[in-house]
Amino acid sequence: EIVLTQSPDFQSVTPKEKVTITCRASQSIDTSLHWYQQKPDQSPKLLIKYASQSISGVPSRFSGSGSGTDFTLTIDSLEAEDAAAYYCHQSSSLPYTFGQGTKLEIK
Amino acid sequence: QVQLQESGPGLVKPSQTLSLTCNVSGGSISSGSYYWSWLRQPAGKGLEWIGRFYTSDNTNYNPSLKSRVTMSVDTSKNQFSLELNSVTAEDTAVYFCARGNWFYFDYWGQGTLVTVSS
Repeated sequence: EIVLTQSPDFQSVTPKEKVTITCRASQSIDTSLHWYQQKPDQSPKLLIKYASQSISGVPSRFSGSGSGTDFTLTIDSLEAEDAAAYYCHQSSSLPYTFGQGTKLEIK
Repeated sequence: QVQLQESGPGLVKPSQTLSLTCNVSGGSISSGSYYWSWLRQPAGKGLEWIGRFYTSDNTNYNPSLKSRVTMSVDTSKNQFSLELNSVTAEDTAVYFCARGNWFYFDYWGQGTLVTVSS
């Protein structure tokens, strides 16, 4: 099973700040890495697919990069509505696995 | 617009079987174009993939749960189901159904809380 490790686990940030969340895989997964946003009491929402591909309807301040074992989700100019938990997910091999999550708090 | 909705008992006794159904609207579950999955999330914790099916005879389960999980589909009702037997308190979680291609999940249900307690 492929283990995904996110950092940080928690971050308190101010609006307009730039945020970077990292996800490291226990073995190479090429670009089979996807990012989701989950707001309290909601289901996850797909933000980025295949490490860096944007999703229709997702604000352009969200971007992703990386391949192999190291990946990054970047939020440029954070907005209050971005308060949520963020999860990376690998689909390189079964079973699908997720990172432990990064919770963003807006100051 | 595809919509998924989970339903089932919110309380299950230890050692019994958890049974949930996911009703799909806005798209056919038998189109053969998508994978249909179950996932769960204990309170305050991360996401765990339980299993998926592509067609009724093409299923994959998480090895950590495989011995206790059965997924099935009812194409006439456009819904699919999850059974998890011999449940314990560790199975208490919000359970989600989701649609995806091989790689990512694009539509999710709202989730349903299942508590295992006597």
